Amino acid sequence: SQTIHQWPATLVQPVGSPLSLECTVEGTSNPNLYWYRQAAGRGLQLLFYSIGIDQISSEVPQNLSASRPQDRQFILSSKKLLLSDSGFYLCAWSVRGTGGSYEQYFGPGTRLTVT
Amino acid sequence: AQKITQTQPGMFVQEKEAVTLDCTYDTSDPSYGQFWYKQPSSGEMIFLIYQGSYDQQNATEGRYSLNFQKARKSANLVISASQLGDSAMYFCAMREGITQGGSEKLVFGKGTKLTVNP
Repeated sequence: SQTIHQWPATLVQPVGSPLSLECTVEGTSNPNLYWYRQAAGRGLQLLFYSIGIDQISSEVPQNLSASRPQDRQFILSSKKLLLSDSGFYLCAWSVRGTGGSYEQYFGPGTRLTVT
Repeated sequence: AQKITQTQPGMFVQEKEAVTLDCTYDTSDPSYGQFWYKQPSSGEMIFLIYQGSYDQQNATEGRYSLNFQKARKSANLVISASQLGDSAMYFCAMREGITQGGSEKLVFGKGTKLTVNP
């Protein structure tokens, strides 16, 4: 069965510090991978998605970046955090295909507080 | 224009009763899919149910069913026999181009907070 891991679970970082959040998927190959951010009490905002190694699409211009160094690893980074980067970060995966429903499955999330 | 609209920021229901959570969508693509997710207070997003635009019958998964009305562009979630553990945020989402190699993305609504009262 497939599982998705995220770490760390919680993080408190000062403004201007770097960020690295990691997501890994087990039990599947060639997945689509996604990074979302959820501000407190709000819906999900898609930040990045990837259909393959080094194939990453950015949805929202900001000071975050994403990388996919391996098929089942997706990393969210920032060189300098802003207060507005605080939120709940969720990684998700789905089967890659040219059609079909392909629901997304989410990791447990990382709660980031920028102080 | 918003692609997914959830007009109920909060809903309350008595335990053991049924509740309908509303979702309307906007798309010109004839091939799309509707999804519902549950987010408990712990934060994880749990996939509940899916229905494609070409599916003839409304989807059902246990106590969850999808009241899909294409003419009204609505895909409401019905939870029967509510339980205390159903208290959570519920998100509607849509994927376009499901049979034509379309979008790899889901578009989410802003969610409805459901509270089940004992």
